[in-house]
Amino acid sequence: QSALTQPASVAGSPGQSITISCTGTSSDVGNYNLVSWYQQHPGKAPKLMIYEGSKRPSGVSNRFSGSKSGNTASLTISGLQAEDEADYYCCSYAGSSTLVFGGGTKLTVL
Amino acid sequence: QVQLVESGGGVVQPGRSLRLSCAVSGFIFSRYGMHWVRQAPGKGLEWVAGISYDGSNKYYADSVKGRFTISRDNSKNTLYLQMNSLRAEDTAVYYCAIPAGLGYYDNNNYPIDYWGQGTLVTVSS
Repeated sequence: QSALTQPASVAGSPGQSITISCTGTSSDVGNYNLVSWYQQHPGKAPKLMIYEGSKRPSGVSNRFSGSKSGNTASLTISGLQAEDEADYYCCSYAGSSTLVFGGGTKLTVL
Repeated sequence: QVQLVESGGGVVQPGRSLRLSCAVSGFIFSRYGMHWVRQAPGKGLEWVAGISYDGSNKYYADSVKGRFTISRDNSKNTLYLQMNSLRAEDTAVYYCAIPAGLGYYDNNNYPIDYWGQGTLVTVSS
């Protein structure tokens, strides 16, 4: 049950695109198509942004997209906006009804 | 409107016990597995425990196995987390949740993803 690996921080200017990686193992990210991504603003509960690796829930901007290759999942945010500044967490199903989260990435919009 | 409302958090001494509750409304509680996820101050999210829709199966993170017990009362639409032998490293905001990462869906095949507002547990002498 080791946490997924994410970069501690990423930064980008308004209008730019950024990508956050999430590296797991063949027991979690690599074995299931159940990677989700959450956005969390300070003091708030996590908000689902991507599920099943690349699907967006209703109401989430199409500027957010997800992908996966092998044991690594990625979240890309295009056309960065000030309100995108937040912490982002990846999460993967790890079998036997368990989940594993990434350590989180702080996104700064310059 | 779905609501998950946690309660029971507070300050407790190391080695003592605490029980968290999560009251659910606006949702067919008895149909879905439930989970506890925690977040230590300034840290990331950590899955803690999960329970099947009927309470027959329970799952725990290694960090809490043998100390925490998850349970539910479907007649009361309530989820519980009994925390024993608490340690300083258990200090965190505890969320009850139905995370989409477990593949839950509503009748329209949209992901089920509900979280409470969290309750803070502080373990300190």
